[in-house]
Formats: sequence, structure tokens, C-alpha cells
Amino acid sequence: AQRVTQPEKLLSVFKGAPVELKCNYSYSGSPELFWYVQYSRQRLQLLLRHISRESIKGFTADLNKGETSFHLKKPFAQEEDSAMYYCALLSYNNNDMRFGAGTRLTVKP
Amino acid sequence: GAGVSQSPRYKVAKRGQDVALRCDPISGHVSLFWYQQALGQGPEFLTYFQNEAQLDKSGLPSDRFFAERPEGSVSTLKIQRTQQEDSAVYLCASSLVQRGTLHFGNGTRLTVT
Repeated sequence: AQRVTQPEKLLSVFKGAPVELKCNYSYSGSPELFWYVQYSRQRLQLLLRHISRESIKGFTADLNKGETSFHLKKPFAQEEDSAMYYCALLSYNNNDMRFGAGTRLTVKP
Repeated sequence: GAGVSQSPRYKVAKRGQDVALRCDPISGHVSLFWYQQALGQGPEFLTYFQNEAQLDKSGLPSDRFFAERPEGSVSTLKIQRTQQEDSAVYLCASSLVQRGTLHFGNGTRLTVT
């Protein structure tokens, strides 16, 4: 069965500091991984997906199949990055998108 | 353009009542998903439609939960004989194509008293 684990419920960094939000997954096949973000009083929205290999708002995430991880990174955090971040996995053979429990990122001034 | 619209935004039901939650997806989106999000948790998959066909309902927690999308656009999630454990935010999402980017609504917060 597919599962997504985000070990940190809360993460707090200062503005300008690097940030890494951890995501580990378990899935026997070849997964498609995503990061979704929910800013205060906004709806959940896609931040990035691993197959596009884009950098969005300075965030990047690399799929590490050996460590079954898809950590989200940004070298210099900004206050506007404060939000709830969810890692998600889409399995190869169906449309069942599984989400982690989420990490609340707070970037302090 | 208009995003995914869900109504009502808030619903309070007494235990044992039936509720119906509505989702208007983005026009033309073929895939529609329902998720349940309990407090402090991530969204949990409930069910998935492609057009009017319900292709996966493996996440529905009991036979009290029923979803439909009769004309391939608007969808309704119905919960019969609500229980306190049904209290959660119910999220609807749609995507233009199968396995496409999910576009979420604001959700319906259901509180069962």
C-alpha cells in the first residue's frame, strides 16, 4: 500500500535561512510525487510535481528512490512562505492521490 | 475564471441527520475527487469520478457515505445518519485530465453534534 510520511508537524525558521521539509514515501511501484501548499485562508494548491523538475517560488524537490524521499528545499526562506505544506503520492495504476499529514512552516522575520 | 466551488461552507448537523455536500468543479474538468480532512491530518481519499462514472470508491469509510455525479459535472457527497466521527472538512478537487493537476475547492466544514 502507498503511504506518505511527513515527520515534522511544525517547522520554524528565520527569514533568509535555508528550509527543508521532509517527505518519505512507501510504494512498491514507480510513484509520481507532488508538493501542495495551503496559504492562510486560501485553498490547497499545487506547488510542484517531480516530473516537471521546475523550481517554483524558489522551491525545489528531488525524488530520491534509494531513500524513498522527496524533500522540499529552499535556500533562503521568505515570510510569505509561511503556510501548510503537504507531500502527496500518485500511484502508477490508479488516481488515488495519497497525502501526508502536512508540515506547518513558519518563517519568522 | 471560476475555481472549484463547494457548498455549504459550514454545516452543523445533529447526530443521526443526513447531510448533502455539493461540489461544482471547473467547467470541462473530467476528473473529480472527494477527500476527507480531519483536524491536524492531511486529506484522505474518499472517491473518484471520471465524467459520470465512479471509478473508485474504496476510500468511503462506510455504507453511510454515498457520492454521485449524474451528468458528469456537479457532484454531491451524501452522508446518512451522521456520527460525531464524521466531523471533518470535506474537500472536492477536479482535474482537466486523468492524472492532471488537482484544483481544490475551499471545502465544507461539517460538525456533527
